[in-house]
Amino acid sequence: DVKVTQSSRYLVKRTGEKVFLECVQDMDHENMFWYRQDPGLGLRLIYFSYDVKMKEKGDIPEGYSVSREKKERFSLILESASTNQTSMYLCAHRREGTGELFFGEGSRLTVL
Amino acid sequence: AQKVTQAQTEISVVEKEDVTLDCVYETRDTTYYLFWYKQPPSGELVFLIRRNSFDEQNEISGRYSWNFQKSTSSFNFTITASQVVDSAVYFCALSEAHTGANNLFFGTGTRLTVIP
Repeated sequence: DVKVTQSSRYLVKRTGEKVFLECVQDMDHENMFWYRQDPGLGLRLIYFSYDVKMKEKGDIPEGYSVSREKKERFSLILESASTNQTSMYLCAHRREGTGELFFGEGSRLTVL
Repeated sequence: AQKVTQAQTEISVVEKEDVTLDCVYETRDTTYYLFWYKQPPSGELVFLIRRNSFDEQNEISGRYSWNFQKSTSSFNFTITASQVVDSAVYFCALSEAHTGANNLFFGTGTRLTVIP
């Protein structure tokens, strides 16, 4: 079974705190993605990475950064969390060829 | 402009009824891919189907079927004889060849509730 593991299902942080969300995949896929999901807005792409140490901005990168030091691990970083970053964060990786994405269970972040 | 529109925000049906979830997309690419994903209450999105723009054949998989019509830019999803386990949020998505298919544009989702 394809596995995408996100480090935390639920997180509560305070405004201004630094937040790390980690994602690990076990399929040796090159492409990995971070989305956020908000009611009425669907999923929006924050960043993606197509190789180790490579990253590309998605549609809403402001306030976020990412790290891809190893192929299997893709981290999303909120340098200084704000209340408007309260959301569900979804990590995914993509199967080459078919293009389908495999998602993790999501990390629900609340920023107080 | 929205690239993928799912006009139905929420649908409720009684078990065993058929239900169709609508998806309309917008793209200038001639090569593109369309997807449907299911998000059950557990939260993990599950891949259901992928179609490329050159394959307009409808597809059936058990109780699920998909109707792809380029003329109307639609990729609708029908569940036949719905079951309670079909209750979930369903997302339609589009990726375009000119982006290297690196970005999936998702619709806002349709929440389906199947009432026993």
